Amino acid sequence: SQTIHQWPATLVQPVGSPLSLECTVEGTSNPNLYWYRQAAGRGLQLLFYSVGIGQISSEVPQNLSASRPQDRQFILSSKKLLLSDSGFYLCAWSAGNPKIYEQYFGPGTRLTVT
Amino acid sequence: LAKTTQPISMDSYEGQEVNITCSHNNIATNDYITWYQQFPSQGPRFIIQGYKTKVTNEVASLFIPADRKSSTLSLPRVSLSDTAVYYCLVGGIYGQNFVFGPGTRLSVLP
Repeated sequence: SQTIHQWPATLVQPVGSPLSLECTVEGTSNPNLYWYRQAAGRGLQLLFYSVGIGQISSEVPQNLSASRPQDRQFILSSKKLLLSDSGFYLCAWSAGNPKIYEQYFGPGTRLTVT
Repeated sequence: LAKTTQPISMDSYEGQEVNITCSHNNIATNDYITWYQQFPSQGPRFIIQGYKTKVTNEVASLFIPADRKSSTLSLPRVSLSDTAVYYCLVGGIYGQNFVFGPGTRLSVLP
């Protein structure tokens, strides 16, 4: 069966510090991968999605970047965190057609920027 | 980019059937309709997806009229554990343009 991992689970970082969140998927190959952010009490915002190694699409201009160095690895980064980067970060994967719309989410990382 | 509109909150009692309707007037021809459930501090969980007519699985049913401008998620005989936020989404071929709005906060009462 497929499994998605995210780490760390929680993170407290000062403003201006760098960020690296990692997501890995097991049990499937060539998944579509997604990064979402959820601010407190709000819906999820799609940040990035990737359909293959090195292929990243950004949905929202921001202080963040994403990379996909391996087929089942997706990394979210920032060079300098802002207070507004605080939130709940979720990684998700989906298979190809016809299950593209069926996304499976990881446990999430709760980031607090102080 | 299809926008969805759902009720902000709903209350129900254990054992009742719950129907949550979502409006998506600007849905595109290639868009699918997908519903997710989210508990606090967890990622959303896929419930059901459909393109038209009716889809049913072991958890829920999804009703989509011919014009596809709305959809209704039906949860049969809800229990306390169904208390969660339910999101309706329509999206593009890779899941891009998936916009998770505020969702519907369902509270199931004993």
